[in-house]
Amino acid sequence: SQQGEEDPQALSIQEGENATMNCSYKTSINNLQWYRQNSGRGLVHLILIRSNEREKHSGRLRVTLDTSKKSSSLLITASRAADTASYFCATAPGLYSGAGSYQLTFGKGTKLSVIP
Amino acid sequence: DVKVTQSSRYLVKRTGEKVFLECVQDMDHENMFWYRQDPGLGLRLIYFSYDVKMKEKGDIPEGYSVSREKKERFSLILESASTNQTSMYLCASSLNPGQGYNEQFFGPGTRLTVL
Repeated sequence: SQQGEEDPQALSIQEGENATMNCSYKTSINNLQWYRQNSGRGLVHLILIRSNEREKHSGRLRVTLDTSKKSSSLLITASRAADTASYFCATAPGLYSGAGSYQLTFGKGTKLSVIP
Repeated sequence: DVKVTQSSRYLVKRTGEKVFLECVQDMDHENMFWYRQDPGLGLRLIYFSYDVKMKEKGDIPEGYSVSREKKERFSLILESASTNQTSMYLCASSLNPGQGYNEQFFGPGTRLTVL
């Protein structure tokens, strides 16, 4: 079942602008992760934020997490044409018990287009 | 770096054929996963395995089976392929949550077309 829902579904920006994508989820989480997928390829892990963290940075990426609103955002600063890809959020369940705790639940993704 | 490889990038099969998709990871991960990805539906979990010979159904197991005889290898089997199984299939692996982050490492995907 889908837990994370990304918003918007598609985003088109000019090179150099910032891109913001949002993710909402429904149940308690242990952590939330963001992945990137270039067209027709596998997903690549970008960043993980734990439920007790509010903000995390990695290079041009900034992720925030608001557990009270059950939402997260991914900000890509100074975007480049190479950032063109689909971005997915994925949630890990809040209680690590049983085989189900090993799963991640992925959203449907935001398709980002960065125009040179 | 973790490497997850899948046996084929593109595969074309006929309806009713038995199809094997192979996935191999080289980082001694306990967990391995099979997803399918379809436009507008995102990634949906078919099966996963948390140990050799252990398997758990995901959200859409119907029409599929899996095999994990060795830790590094996880196979997805379509017993009798149907056209509605035309999709992109993605394999992934991860550590157990207790060992640290449970980020998943993905293979490049197999685009399967069933005619």
